[in-house]
Amino acid sequence: DVKVTQSSRYLVKRTGEKVFLECVQDMDHENMFWYRQDPGLGLRLIYFSYDVKMKEKGDIPEGYSVSREKKERFSLILESASTNQTSMYLCASREGTYSYNEQFFGPGTRLTVL
Amino acid sequence: DAKTTQPPSMDCAEGRAANLPCNHSTISGNEYVYWYRQIHSQGPQYIIHGLKNNETNEMASLIITEDRKSSTLILPHATLRDTAVYYCIITNYQLIWGAGTKLIIKP
Repeated sequence: DVKVTQSSRYLVKRTGEKVFLECVQDMDHENMFWYRQDPGLGLRLIYFSYDVKMKEKGDIPEGYSVSREKKERFSLILESASTNQTSMYLCASREGTYSYNEQFFGPGTRLTVL
Repeated sequence: DAKTTQPPSMDCAEGRAANLPCNHSTISGNEYVYWYRQIHSQGPQYIIHGLKNNETNEMASLIITEDRKSSTLILPHATLRDTAVYYCIITNYQLIWGAGTKLIIKP
């Protein structure tokens, strides 16, 4: 079974702190994704990566950056956390470039910014 | 990507078939129908997808109408563990998530 793990289930940070959310997948998938999920807004795509060192902006990239130095690891970075970034963050991976391949999700990180 | 319309919530008795509808009248020819679900406090889980033909796997069946404007996800024998939010997504590339249907399985 594909396993997607995220570094923390719960995280509390202060406004202005730099925050790193880590995601690791163990199935050699080319594509990796970061979403945030907020009540009433569903899942929204922040960034995705289709290969090592490659990244593409999703629908809401402002305030975030990403890093993919190794195929199995995709990091989401909040350069200066703000309270409106309090959310559930979900990482996913997908094999290949075809959309009909399913996305596998991690358990999520619930981030609170005070 | 085409938009979808799903009922916000549904109930189903344990052991019965749960039929979750989805309308996607603006679907285009190369767009797939995907279903995912999200159990409380977990990441979404893929269930099934299809293009034109009906599909079945160990979790569910997907029935797509001939004109492809609507589909139904069928959980044949619902259990309490099937209580979740079910998302119907139409896409040919990235997944665009709506609000889904909150399915509650009652004992």
